[in-house]
Amino acid sequence: GDSVTQMEGPVTLSEEAFLTINCTYTATGYPSLFWYVQYPGEGLQLLLKATKADDKGSNKGFEATYRKETTSFHLEKGSVQVSDSAVYFCALKNQGGKLIFGQGTELSVKP
Amino acid sequence: GAGVSQSPSNKVTEKGKDVELRCDPISGHTALYWYRQSLGQGLEFLIYFQGNSAPDKSGLPSDRFSAERTGGSVSTLTIQRTQQEDSAVYLCASRESGRPTEEQFFGPGTRLTVL
Repeated sequence: GDSVTQMEGPVTLSEEAFLTINCTYTATGYPSLFWYVQYPGEGLQLLLKATKADDKGSNKGFEATYRKETTSFHLEKGSVQVSDSAVYFCALKNQGGKLIFGQGTELSVKP
Repeated sequence: GAGVSQSPSNKVTEKGKDVELRCDPISGHTALYWYRQSLGQGLEFLIYFQGNSAPDKSGLPSDRFSAERTGGSVSTLTIQRTQQEDSAVYLCASRESGRPTEEQFFGPGTRLTVL
């Protein structure tokens, strides 16, 4: 079945460091891909998305490119801030409209 | 406008008791989803309602779990004879239209603890 695998956390970085959170997927057809973020004490929020191969989603300095050839959707940010500390979830939406999530990666950014 | 709301925000119950969790979707959203977020399991899809169609119950883990959506709006997730492994955060999400590509908006979740 469809699945998403993302790198395990927690990831601890210093402020202004470069961030990469790896995400790979297995799916039939051509799913849409998403990154969701969950800040402490808050609900899940959509961070960015890409709906077809080679699309790049971007928001708040975060980027991810839909790579069909490597079935990946890695999340990157050039310079993280303390306020980026959160749990990040990679997800795909299959043809039935269900979101299939990865395990989540906790990011902690230290000043 | 108002987002997805869920109640209660926290629920502590004893093993074997029944619980009901409520979700109020964004007004006008036709699609409603329930997910479960538990330690070691990540986020799991539970059930999906779309308009008046029969719900997709393929993610419900056992027959102790059921959900209703009355009048195409509010939804209630019921867990009967709760077990400790049911402890998790239960998330509800709603979506505007019948097209699967529309964004899902999540509520803050209900944290269920089964003692």
